[in-house]
Amino acid sequence: EPEVTQTPSHQVTQMGQEVILRCVPISNHLYFYWYRQILGQKVEFLVSFYNNEISEKSEIFDDQFSVERPDGSNFTLKIRSTKLEDSAMYFCASREDRVADTQYFGPGTRLTVL
Amino acid sequence: KQEVTQIPAALSVPEGENLVLNCSFTDSAIYNLQWFRQDPGKGLTSLLLIQSSQREQTSGRLNASLDKSSGRSTLYIAASQPGDSATYLCAVKRGYSGGGADGLTFGKGTHLIIQP
Repeated sequence: EPEVTQTPSHQVTQMGQEVILRCVPISNHLYFYWYRQILGQKVEFLVSFYNNEISEKSEIFDDQFSVERPDGSNFTLKIRSTKLEDSAMYFCASREDRVADTQYFGPGTRLTVL
Repeated sequence: KQEVTQIPAALSVPEGENLVLNCSFTDSAIYNLQWFRQDPGKGLTSLLLIQSSQREQTSGRLNASLDKSSGRSTLYIAASQPGDSATYLCAVKRGYSGGGADGLTFGKGTHLIIQP
């Protein structure tokens, strides 16, 4: 069964460094999402992406964040200058099309900012 | 702003019991509601999705109901098994006529332990 994959599974970085989290959505899906979950907190929506542009973003998704679909398979989240409070599990999700509403989540990348 | 609340926060029951997990949301103008399962250190697995026009959905031993007007959903698990132990998350998508790319708003989850 097709799955969303994410790499790396765990990323450790120093405060102020740039990180790129990578996702490979399910191949025929058209909508892509990033969410984050700070330890012990709710899963929070960051951004949605469709037709090579951002569709919606939350107030969390400020200028430090950016997303890109550099080729036909990868979907990336970049954090320009990481802060301690960016430490969280980051989940990528994809959805097939406008009609099919189920979002399928990847296993997540645990980001630790020191 | 939509708020999703799940009760109870944690639940521990013996194997074989039927149980109900509750989810409430403050804004009834939702497009759909989705129940997920999250295992420790893992991603989210979709269990059931209920459209705003539907009252319930069933998959195996799971049954989810939706009362949109009162802002409530329940997840019923029949004949619970130790393998059902996980955190169960409820998430809503806000109402949007085009059904667009909106993100989901999650509750904090119910941590369920099924004792063998």
